Amino acid sequence: DAGVIQSPRHEVTEMGQEVTLRCKPISGHNSLFWYRQTMMRGLELLIYFNNNVPIDDSGMPEDRFSAKMPNASFSTLKIQPSEPRDSAVYFCASSTDSPNYGYTFGSGTRLTVV
Amino acid sequence: KQEVTQIPAALSVPEGENLVLNCSFTDSAIYNLQWFRQDPGKGLTSLLLIQSSQREQTSGRLNASLDKSSGRSTLYIAASQPGDSATYLCAVRDDYKLSFGAGTTVTVRA
Repeated sequence: DAGVIQSPRHEVTEMGQEVTLRCKPISGHNSLFWYRQTMMRGLELLIYFNNNVPIDDSGMPEDRFSAKMPNASFSTLKIQPSEPRDSAVYFCASSTDSPNYGYTFGSGTRLTVV
Repeated sequence: KQEVTQIPAALSVPEGENLVLNCSFTDSAIYNLQWFRQDPGKGLTSLLLIQSSQREQTSGRLNASLDKSSGRSTLYIAASQPGDSATYLCAVRDDYKLSFGAGTTVTVRA
């Protein structure tokens, strides 16, 4: 299994531009999570999908952030317009409903907004 | 809301010494607890997963214990090596949420 695949690995963009981060979860995992990691706040859950449906988006910072999961093998996190304070590492993770399962994380996307 | 605390925040030891990393959590109604390793600029690698019904889990030089009733877990790394230098994160799962501690940054001196 290739694990959770995220793209791009690095993204540098100018303030005001739209940014789209992509994630392919592990096949067979029906839960998908987007996390953001910063030095100040550590790892924060942004949004949780179950069976492609957004269940908890209470961690999404504001309306500039949106996430979609059009099918079981693909999800996007979009920021429009981007701001310098959005600079962080964004991780995607997947798991199953079973409480016996742990999470598997992707390698992350390092976003820099200048 | 689940709060996860890791002590110490940083640790520096000479090679060969055993490492003891602590994690505490406020709500004992957890599904499981996971220990992750994160190297600088990299993603999170799962080291050990302990189910709520388990007391400990072992993998090679790593051993993690769980005392759910007191809200504590400890990660032991035997005979540390410079390659063990990294940040170690504790995370507890309740329902679907995984709540993280801030991590312990370990430096093993050659």
